[in-house]
Amino acid sequence: DGGITQSPKYLFRKEGQNVTLSCEQNLNHDAMYWYRQDPGQGLRLIYYSQIVNDFQKGDIAEGYSVSREKKESFPLTVTSAQKNPTAFYLCASSILEAGGSDTQYFGPGTRLTVL
Amino acid sequence: AQTVTQSQPEMSVQEAETVTLSCTYDTSESDYYLFWYKQPPSRQMILVIRQEAYKQQNATENRFSVNFQKAAKSFSLKISDSQLGDAAMYFCAYRSGGAQKLVFGQGTRLTINP
Repeated sequence: DGGITQSPKYLFRKEGQNVTLSCEQNLNHDAMYWYRQDPGQGLRLIYYSQIVNDFQKGDIAEGYSVSREKKESFPLTVTSAQKNPTAFYLCASSILEAGGSDTQYFGPGTRLTVL
Repeated sequence: AQTVTQSQPEMSVQEAETVTLSCTYDTSESDYYLFWYKQPPSRQMILVIRQEAYKQQNATENRFSVNFQKAAKSFSLKISDSQLGDAAMYFCAYRSGGAQKLVFGQGTRLTINP
């Protein structure tokens, strides 16, 4: 099946620890994104990548890091520098289309809880 | 900066009836795209419908249609013949033609009453 997978579904972290959230897509999409969702709010962009080995900061990149070594993979690391990491994290991907008309499709998300 | 506002935190409708969810946005750009996403209890974001700003015709996908009023910067979603499976959070989102970021509204929780 084609799609976007995120793992794990639930993740618990102790304060001071780094954790890495996985995002994989087999849609051959060019661009990948990480969003954060807090209760009662919409999504906010953390990082995005349009091409392998290149990525850009979004609105709330502080305390997060990413890599894009393969087209199909875009892992997100939540570092100990992130002050309030408990949230729902959603990965998305899209084909880059001429004129910027691409649509983003989302994975099932990872719920991160800091204990 | 662009902003998206959904003024209805919650809406409810009887099964089989029609409901309209409101969305307004603020932008100075002429090239942009608008989206409605559905987030059911599973929390996965599912694309419902999208609209290109340069198109005058309102987008339609089966029971879902939009009323796109470009001058008023309004982008409402109409759900006809509501079904129990339509119950979810609905998010309106904006994307500039030259950017990758989606800007989301706060969401509207839709309840379907049997």
